[in-house]
Amino acid sequence: EPEVTQTPSHQVTQMGQEVILRCVPISNHLYFYWYRQILGQKVEFLVSFYNNEISEKSEIFDDQFSVERPDGSNFTLKIRSTKLEDSAMYFCASSDLDEKLFFGSGTQLSVL
Amino acid sequence: KNQVEQSPQSLIILEGKNCTLQCNYTVSPFSNLRWYKQDTGRGPVSLTIMTFSENTKSNGRYTATLDADTKQSSLHITASQLSDSASYICVVSQGAAGNKLTFGGGTRVLVKP
Repeated sequence: EPEVTQTPSHQVTQMGQEVILRCVPISNHLYFYWYRQILGQKVEFLVSFYNNEISEKSEIFDDQFSVERPDGSNFTLKIRSTKLEDSAMYFCASSDLDEKLFFGSGTQLSVL
Repeated sequence: KNQVEQSPQSLIILEGKNCTLQCNYTVSPFSNLRWYKQDTGRGPVSLTIMTFSENTKSNGRYTATLDADTKQSSLHITASQLSDSASYICVVSQGAAGNKLTFGGGTRVLVKP
Protein backbone atom coordinates (compact mmCIF):
# COMPACT_ATOMS: atom_id res chain seq x y z
CA GLU A 1 0.00 0.00 0.00
CA PRO A 2 1.32 3.51 -0.76
CA GLU A 3 2.52 5.46 2.24
CA VAL A 4 3.42 8.94 3.39
CA THR A 5 7.10 9.24 4.27
CA GLN A 6 8.49 11.65 6.85
CA THR A 7 12.06 12.57 7.65
CA PRO A 8 13.75 12.75 10.01
CA SER A 9 12.06 10.42 12.48
CA HIS A 10 13.64 12.35 15.36
CA GLN A 11 14.94 15.91 15.49
CA VAL A 12 16.62 17.54 18.45
CA THR A 13 17.23 21.26 18.32
CA GLN A 14 18.12 24.20 20.52
CA MET A 15 15.51 26.80 21.38
CA GLY A 16 15.54 29.61 18.83
CA GLN A 17 16.87 27.45 16.02
CA GLU A 18 15.07 26.84 12.75
CA VAL A 19 13.92 23.35 11.85
CA ILE A 20 12.52 21.90 8.65
CA LEU A 21 10.42 18.78 8.76
CA ARG A 22 10.07 16.93 5.50
CA CYS A 23 7.30 14.84 4.05
CA VAL A 24 6.74 12.95 0.82
CA PRO A 25 2.98 12.55 0.38
CA ILE A 26 1.38 9.82 -1.70
CA SER A 27 2.07 10.69 -5.31
CA ASN A 28 -1.42 11.16 -6.70
CA HIS A 29 -2.86 12.93 -3.66
CA LEU A 30 -4.00 16.51 -3.89
CA TYR A 31 -4.45 17.61 -0.27
CA PHE A 32 -1.65 17.84 2.25
CA TYR A 33 -1.73 18.48 5.97
CA TRP A 34 0.39 18.91 9.04
CA TYR A 35 -0.77 17.87 12.49
CA ARG A 36 1.01 17.75 15.80
CA GLN A 37 0.59 15.70 18.96
CA ILE A 38 2.12 16.90 22.19
CA LEU A 39 2.99 13.98 24.45
CA GLY A 40 -0.11 12.70 26.21
CA GLN A 41 -2.44 15.08 24.36
CA LYS A 42 -4.79 14.92 21.39
CA VAL A 43 -3.73 15.27 17.79
CA GLU A 44 -4.15 18.90 16.66
CA PHE A 45 -4.61 20.28 13.16
CA LEU A 46 -1.98 22.79 12.04
CA VAL A 47 -2.45 23.52 8.36
CA SER A 48 -3.89 22.22 5.11
CA PHE A 49 -2.44 22.81 1.66
CA TYR A 50 -4.09 22.47 -1.73
CA ASN A 51 -3.27 23.70 -5.20
CA ASN A 52 0.04 25.13 -4.01
CA GLU A 53 -1.38 27.30 -1.29
CA ILE A 54 -2.58 27.14 2.29
CA SER A 55 -6.30 26.39 2.36
CA GLU A 56 -6.78 26.47 6.11
CA LYS A 57 -4.68 26.97 9.23
CA SER A 58 -5.30 26.75 12.93
CA GLU A 59 -4.50 29.24 15.66
CA ILE A 60 -1.40 27.23 16.45
CA PHE A 61 0.01 27.94 12.99
CA ASP A 62 1.38 31.40 13.69
CA ASP A 63 4.03 33.43 11.88
CA GLN A 64 6.76 31.11 13.13
CA PHE A 65 5.39 28.33 10.93
CA SER A 66 5.45 28.03 7.16
CA VAL A 67 4.84 25.28 4.64
CA GLU A 68 6.20 24.71 1.19
CA ARG A 69 5.91 22.30 -1.65
CA PRO A 70 9.23 23.07 -3.32
CA ASP A 71 8.92 20.42 -6.01
CA GLY A 72 6.45 17.81 -7.18
CA SER A 73 7.04 15.42 -4.32
CA ASN A 74 8.16 17.10 -1.10
CA PHE A 75 6.02 18.97 1.41
CA THR A 76 7.85 20.74 4.22
CA LEU A 77 7.00 22.37 7.53
CA LYS A 78 9.41 25.04 8.74
CA ILE A 79 9.51 26.41 12.26
CA ARG A 80 11.58 29.59 12.17
CA SER A 81 12.53 30.02 15.80
CA THR A 82 11.64 27.00 17.88
CA LYS A 83 10.24 27.29 21.38
CA LEU A 84 10.18 24.69 24.12
CA GLU A 85 6.45 24.25 23.64
CA ASP A 86 6.99 23.24 20.01
CA SER A 87 8.25 19.88 21.26
CA ALA A 88 5.81 17.34 19.85
CA MET A 89 5.29 14.62 17.30
CA TYR A 90 4.54 16.21 13.94
CA PHE A 91 2.48 14.20 11.47
CA CYS A 92 2.16 14.85 7.78
CA ALA A 93 -0.91 13.51 6.01
CA SER A 94 -2.27 13.47 2.50
CA SER A 95 -5.55 12.59 0.88
CA ASP A 96 -7.27 12.25 -2.43
CA LEU A 97 -10.81 13.36 -3.15
CA ASP A 98 -12.29 10.46 -1.15
CA GLU A 99 -11.32 12.11 2.15
CA LYS A 100 -9.43 9.12 3.52
CA LEU A 101 -6.33 10.51 5.18
CA PHE A 102 -3.03 8.71 5.11
CA PHE A 103 -0.64 9.70 7.87
CA GLY A 104 3.12 9.44 7.95
CA SER A 105 4.95 7.92 10.90
CA GLY A 106 5.76 11.34 12.28
CA THR A 107 8.80 13.36 13.27
CA GLN A 108 9.47 13.60 16.99
CA LEU A 109 10.74 17.13 17.59
CA SER A 110 12.52 17.87 20.85
CA VAL A 111 13.40 21.49 21.61
CA LEU A 112 16.00 21.91 24.35
CA LYS B 1 -17.08 24.12 21.69
CA ASN B 2 -16.39 21.19 19.36
CA GLN B 3 -15.31 18.20 21.39
CA VAL B 4 -14.81 14.49 20.99
CA GLU B 5 -14.71 12.43 24.17
CA GLN B 6 -13.72 8.78 24.31
CA SER B 7 -14.11 6.13 26.94
CA PRO B 8 -12.59 4.26 28.51
CA GLN B 9 -9.17 5.91 28.49
CA SER B 10 -7.58 2.51 28.53
CA LEU B 11 -8.50 -1.13 28.81
CA ILE B 12 -6.86 -4.50 29.04
CA ILE B 13 -8.42 -7.53 27.41
CA LEU B 14 -7.41 -11.13 26.93
CA GLU B 15 -6.54 -12.38 23.49
CA GLY B 16 -9.59 -13.73 21.73
CA LYS B 17 -12.07 -11.61 23.69
CA ASN B 18 -14.25 -8.83 22.31
CA CYS B 19 -14.34 -5.21 23.42
CA THR B 20 -16.25 -2.03 22.65
CA LEU B 21 -14.91 1.50 22.71
CA GLN B 22 -17.15 4.55 23.03
CA CYS B 23 -17.06 8.00 21.44
CA ASN B 24 -19.32 10.99 22.14
CA TYR B 25 -19.07 14.19 20.19
CA THR B 26 -20.47 17.69 20.14
CA VAL B 27 -18.98 18.72 16.80
CA SER B 28 -21.23 20.73 14.52
CA PRO B 29 -21.77 20.78 11.64
CA PHE B 30 -21.13 17.11 11.11
CA SER B 31 -19.70 15.62 7.94
CA ASN B 32 -18.35 12.22 8.92
CA LEU B 33 -16.90 10.22 11.79
CA ARG B 34 -13.67 8.26 11.54
CA TRP B 35 -11.94 5.68 13.65
CA TYR B 36 -8.17 5.41 13.50
CA LYS B 37 -5.72 2.92 14.96
CA GLN B 38 -2.44 4.37 16.17
CA ASP B 39 0.44 2.12 17.11
CA THR B 40 2.98 3.60 19.51
CA GLY B 41 5.33 5.97 17.70
CA ARG B 42 3.43 5.69 14.43
CA GLY B 43 0.89 7.76 12.57
CA PRO B 44 -2.83 7.00 12.77
CA VAL B 45 -4.20 4.48 10.26
CA SER B 46 -7.76 4.77 9.04
CA LEU B 47 -10.15 1.97 10.05
CA THR B 48 -13.57 3.31 9.08
CA ILE B 49 -15.27 6.46 7.83
CA MET B 50 -19.03 6.90 8.35
CA THR B 51 -21.29 9.62 7.07
CA PHE B 52 -24.50 10.84 8.67
CA SER B 53 -26.64 8.22 6.93
CA GLU B 54 -24.51 5.21 7.87
CA ASN B 55 -25.30 3.27 11.06
CA THR B 56 -22.57 0.69 10.87
CA LYS B 57 -19.42 -0.07 8.96
CA SER B 58 -17.02 -2.98 9.23
CA ASN B 59 -13.37 -3.45 8.41
CA GLY B 60 -12.37 -7.03 9.17
CA ARG B 61 -12.71 -7.60 12.91
CA TYR B 62 -13.48 -3.92 13.51
CA THR B 63 -17.11 -2.76 13.43
CA ALA B 64 -18.03 0.87 13.98
CA THR B 65 -21.53 2.14 14.73
CA LEU B 66 -22.89 5.64 14.54
CA ASP B 67 -25.98 7.19 16.11
CA ALA B 68 -26.10 10.69 14.68
CA ASP B 69 -29.15 11.59 16.77
CA THR B 70 -27.42 10.98 20.09
CA LYS B 71 -24.01 11.88 18.66
CA GLN B 72 -22.45 8.65 19.75
CA SER B 73 -20.25 6.11 18.05
CA SER B 74 -18.69 2.84 19.10
CA LEU B 75 -15.91 0.65 17.81
CA HIS B 76 -16.24 -3.07 18.44
CA ILE B 77 -13.21 -5.33 18.18
CA THR B 78 -14.04 -8.99 17.70
CA ALA B 79 -11.78 -11.88 18.68
CA SER B 80 -8.94 -9.58 19.69
CA GLN B 81 -5.37 -10.34 18.68
CA LEU B 82 -2.10 -9.22 20.22
CA SER B 83 -1.59 -6.92 17.23
CA ASP B 84 -4.74 -5.01 18.20
CA SER B 85 -2.78 -3.43 21.05
CA ALA B 86 -2.79 0.25 20.11
CA SER B 87 -4.60 3.53 20.68
CA TYR B 88 -7.93 3.89 18.92
CA ILE B 89 -8.87 7.44 18.06
CA CYS B 90 -12.31 8.76 17.20
CA VAL B 91 -12.24 11.74 14.85
CA VAL B 92 -15.16 13.87 13.71
CA SER B 93 -15.00 15.89 10.51
CA GLN B 94 -16.94 19.07 9.89
CA GLY B 95 -16.25 19.36 6.20
CA ALA B 96 -13.67 18.82 3.54
CA ALA B 97 -11.02 16.25 4.34
CA GLY B 98 -8.36 16.98 6.88
CA ASN B 99 -8.80 20.61 7.71
CA LYS B 100 -11.89 20.29 9.83
CA LEU B 101 -11.06 17.33 12.04
CA THR B 102 -11.59 17.18 15.79
CA PHE B 103 -9.67 14.36 17.44
CA GLY B 104 -10.61 12.44 20.52
CA GLY B 105 -8.02 11.59 23.11
CA GLY B 106 -8.04 7.93 22.19
CA THR B 107 -8.56 4.67 24.04
CA ARG B 108 -5.41 2.71 24.70
CA VAL B 109 -6.08 -1.01 24.27
CA LEU B 110 -3.73 -3.66 25.55
CA VAL B 111 -4.36 -7.24 24.48
CA LYS B 112 -2.74 -9.82 26.71
CA PRO B 113 -2.11 -13.46 25.82
